[in-house]
Amino acid sequence: GQQVMQIPQYQHVQEGEDFTTYCNSSTTLSNIQWYKQRPGGHPVFLIQLVKSGEVKKQKRLTFQFGEAKKNSSLHITATQTTDVGTYFCAGSEKLVFGKGTKLTVNP
Amino acid sequence: NAGVTQTPKFQVLKTGQSMTLQCAQDMNHNSMYWYRQDPGMGLRLIYYSASEGTTDKGEVPNGYNVSRLNKREFSLRLESAAPSQTSVYFCASSGQFRWTGNTIYFGEGSWLTVV
Repeated sequence: GQQVMQIPQYQHVQEGEDFTTYCNSSTTLSNIQWYKQRPGGHPVFLIQLVKSGEVKKQKRLTFQFGEAKKNSSLHITATQTTDVGTYFCAGSEKLVFGKGTKLTVNP
Repeated sequence: NAGVTQTPKFQVLKTGQSMTLQCAQDMNHNSMYWYRQDPGMGLRLIYYSASEGTTDKGEVPNGYNVSRLNKREFSLRLESAAPSQTSVYFCASSGQFRWTGNTIYFGEGSWLTVV
């Protein structure tokens, strides 16, 4: 079945550093979604990518969908303590989520 | 605007006991889901209901049953709880079945401990 691999599993950065998490699928995706879960909270939708090579920005967050629609990335510029949490990608087939990347930020 | 509401928020069960997690959404969504989240394992789909009247197994259905009571409500039942079912359970809903690309809205979670 489809698998969605997400790396790294953990990332610790100093406040102000950049952060990137990567999502790779074993199959071509019709779309991919990204979610953020704050510690003790529930996942909250961030964005959806649909088109091959698509790039979307939300303030300091940049999301990319690969040309082959099998991989995606989330890049945060100049991290802040409010960015702390676990970031999940979710592939379109079979409702599969990656295991997430847990981001911690040292102020 | 409540969104997705699930109860109870916390529960401790003894091995072998049964219980039902309740979930309701007020967004008139067609599709509903139950996930479990364990440390290092991400979110794993237990069961889903693409539309009222239908239910299907997800990645980890063993030990669980579900009921789509009506369009609003989707319950998860543990018939004979086991320590391996200690987890955080999330109910979720979306307008249409997820692979059409609709956003999934999650409830706040139910922390279940089986001793």
